[in-house]
Amino acid sequence: EAQVTQNPRYLITVTGKKLTVTCSQNMNHEYMSWYRQDPGLGLRQIYYSMNVEVTDKGDVPEGYKVSRKEKRNFPLILESPSPNQTSLYFCASSQNNQPQHFGDGTRLSIL
Amino acid sequence: SQKIEQNSEALNIQEGKTATLTCNYTNYSPAYLQWYRQDPGRGPVFLLLIRENEKEKRKERLKVTFDTTLKQSLFHITASQPADSATYLCALDGIIFGKGTRLHILP
Repeated sequence: EAQVTQNPRYLITVTGKKLTVTCSQNMNHEYMSWYRQDPGLGLRQIYYSMNVEVTDKGDVPEGYKVSRKEKRNFPLILESPSPNQTSLYFCASSQNNQPQHFGDGTRLSIL
Repeated sequence: SQKIEQNSEALNIQEGKTATLTCNYTNYSPAYLQWYRQDPGRGPVFLLLIRENEKEKRKERLKVTFDTTLKQSLFHITASQPADSATYLCALDGIIFGKGTRLHILP
């Protein structure tokens, strides 16, 4: 089954404690991206990657890092999380400007 | 900067009627526009794509129109059912998303 898998689905942590949200896709897609979704603000792109070792900032990249060492994986790293990064995060993948496949989301709470 | 707006935060429609959702944009010329459905606790799921040179696209009970002069897309669900209740998102070129419209189909 074609899918985008995010882990963890839920995480409560504290300010300053580094965390990584993993994202993996099994469709051999070249394009992957991360979004955060906040009430009243909608989906906003954090980072995207056109292919292995190619990453670029989206609209709200501050406080986040990503890496793309393999085609299937695109982890989102919060080196020093802060409460304003409390949000619902989605990873997505697609191929050649085709529609994106989204994961089921990771709900992060930073206390 | 580019701006995308979906006409209302929430919309209540009687079962069986046609639901019409609006997506307007400014300061941008998308090559295509997509519509997604999002259920609570789930990621968005792609429904339809319409390109700038297409006026209308249909898929079963769904219809999308695209007016590049008005900078507007309309999304229609005909013969609506309670199972159509969800949040619907439009997206320019697949990456600039609207905030979504929560659609409630009332039995």
